[in-house]
Amino acid sequence: AQSVTQLDSQVPVFEEAPVELRCNYSSSVSVYLFWYVQYPNQGLQLLLKYLSGSTLVKSINGFEAEFNKSQTSFHLRKPSVHISDTAEYFCAVSVSAAGNKLTFGGGTRVLVKP
Amino acid sequence: GAVVSQHPSRVICKSGTSVKIECRSLDFQATTMFWYRQFPKQSLMLMATSNEGSKATYEQGVEKDKFLINHASLTLSTLTVTSAHPEDSSFYICSARTQGEGSGGYTFGSGTRLTVV
Repeated sequence: AQSVTQLDSQVPVFEEAPVELRCNYSSSVSVYLFWYVQYPNQGLQLLLKYLSGSTLVKSINGFEAEFNKSQTSFHLRKPSVHISDTAEYFCAVSVSAAGNKLTFGGGTRVLVKP
Repeated sequence: GAVVSQHPSRVICKSGTSVKIECRSLDFQATTMFWYRQFPKQSLMLMATSNEGSKATYEQGVEKDKFLINHASLTLSTLTVTSAHPEDSSFYICSARTQGEGSGGYTFGSGTRLTVV
């Protein structure tokens, strides 16, 4: 079975500073990787995903993540955060053999301070 | 893009009563719907997977008689929490697969916060 570990439960960061959210996974087969963002009392919104091809994937709002197969990681980065980036971020994996069900990490709460 | 409409967004019910949560796919056909439960400041835990026209598949430890899932049409899936108790209070979220397997397309509803008093 696959699993996802988000190493930081909370990340405080100042506005306009860079941020990195760490995500490591374990799986014996190939995986698809996702980052979702959740604002309070809302569902999840897809930030970006890696299915195949280029290992560096980017979102339209400045986030990017790099798939590193040897490190089994999919860390999320943003070079300059805004107050509006304050939210909970979830890393997730899915495996075709498991019916493509998403397995989520524990989440990382990002608090952007002015 | 694909939208999943989830209702109600909040519900408060008395202990012992049942509550129904609906998820509708608005502009696509959702053959598969996933139901998650999220405790405060925790991650999403998959409860069950429902496929249109067939019985839902429940994850280990989830009581199928307590959490009734119906997926009678390609655009509607419901979760009914039967005989609710305070420990059932949680945030429930549905998700629909929007593209073929392996494409990574999932759309989430906005969630339902259930409070049982």
